[in-house]
Amino acid sequence: DAGVTQSPTHLIKTRGQQVTLRCSPKSGHDTVSWYQQALGQGPQFIFQYYEEEERQRGNFPDRFSGHQFPNYSSELNVNALLLGDSALYLCASSLIGGDEQFFGPGTRLTVL
Amino acid sequence: GDSVTQMEGPVTLSEEAFLTINCTYTATGYPSLFWYVQYPGEGLQLLLKATKADDKGSNKGFEATYRKETTSFHLEKGSVQVSDSAVYFCALLVSSGSARQLTFGSGTQLTVLP
Repeated sequence: DAGVTQSPTHLIKTRGQQVTLRCSPKSGHDTVSWYQQALGQGPQFIFQYYEEEERQRGNFPDRFSGHQFPNYSSELNVNALLLGDSALYLCASSLIGGDEQFFGPGTRLTVL
Repeated sequence: GDSVTQMEGPVTLSEEAFLTINCTYTATGYPSLFWYVQYPGEGLQLLLKATKADDKGSNKGFEATYRKETTSFHLEKGSVQVSDSAVYFCALLVSSGSARQLTFGSGTQLTVLP
């Protein structure tokens, strides 16, 4: 049973560029959440997707957007990258309404 | 708003020592509480959880009890091993309709020396 997978593992971009990160949820899960973890900090909630719609959003600007596909996989897009966007981006999957979230290994984004 | 406060680290212990990592929370309603562990270079793994007051979560020798009166969820282990070295995060689950989001503490780095 495959767990949550994310791609790519690492990514280096320059300021002003755009980036797309990908996530495949654990088998049987229908909900995907995205978190940003800055170095030395706890993860911060970005948003949650269910039935291809954004259901809840944390305190992140509109530069952060997402998408969920019919097969439940998800993308996180960040436009106009800033140095402060450098972080580990974690994807978590769950069942809608469930209280257990399973995390992927993350994508390490470095913005130069 | 909802928040989680963890004891500041890092924490360094000798093998077989007793571990306590303090966690307190502020929340409206009655959240579920979690401890996650993050090993170097990896994502987060769920360690244990408790969904209501006085529940005790336990896993791999770790325990935490949901204390509503003190709004706490302290993590304990009677005898730590070198393999327990990792970063530990306390978190609460906030619900809005069917949507759920985790709010995390800042993490506590644990190093266990042989």
